[in-house]
Amino acid sequence: DAKTTQPTSMDCAEGRAANLPCNHSTISGNEYVYWYRQIHSQGPQYIIHGLKNNETNEMASLIITEDRKSSTLILPHATLRDTAVYYCIVRATSGTYKYIFGTGTRLKVLA
Amino acid sequence: EAQVTQNPRYLITVTGKKLTVTCSQNMNHEYMSWYRQDPGLGLRQIYYSMNVEVTDKGDVPEGYKVSRKEKRNFPLILESPSPNQTSLYFCASSSDPWAFMNTEAFFGQGTRLTVV
Repeated sequence: DAKTTQPTSMDCAEGRAANLPCNHSTISGNEYVYWYRQIHSQGPQYIIHGLKNNETNEMASLIITEDRKSSTLILPHATLRDTAVYYCIVRATSGTYKYIFGTGTRLKVLA
Repeated sequence: EAQVTQNPRYLITVTGKKLTVTCSQNMNHEYMSWYRQDPGLGLRQIYYSMNVEVTDKGDVPEGYKVSRKEKRNFPLILESPSPNQTSLYFCASSSDPWAFMNTEAFFGQGTRLTVV
């Protein structure tokens, strides 16, 4: 099965960019990388997803390396409300409906 | 309002007493899934369902059962709960199983289960 590796925790100053890395070296060529976040113990919320090219939406940017073995989620101007656990997610095995969340990165935005 | 509703939100039970956690979605989604979340382990998939009467095991199915008799409901059944099933449980749904993790994926608010 595919696997993701993320740092356990990170701090970021309010107003600065938060860069959250993820290693997914076992991902197959046609599988997306997804990012979700979880605030406190609420249900996870979608942030962004991508395949090969960099992606940007109103919440964040996603930078995927050319070899697709890693990616970085960028929150351009972090606010206190961005304090959460961020999950990098991939499909367990190509062609299945099983997804691997991993343990996530606990981001703390500091005032 | 589009939503996934889980009940109960909190439950304390005793070892061996059968229980059911309900999950209902109002979006006519085909794909539904159950996860458990434990400290240090993140979210792990228990079971998922592609459509009515179609279910399959996730990563940690032992000790759990599910059923999908109608599209909107996907209950999680613990026939004989044990303390190691104490966890935070999430139900999720999506209209497209291949696009499960994109903007169409909705998660419930969670059920915190304690088995003593």
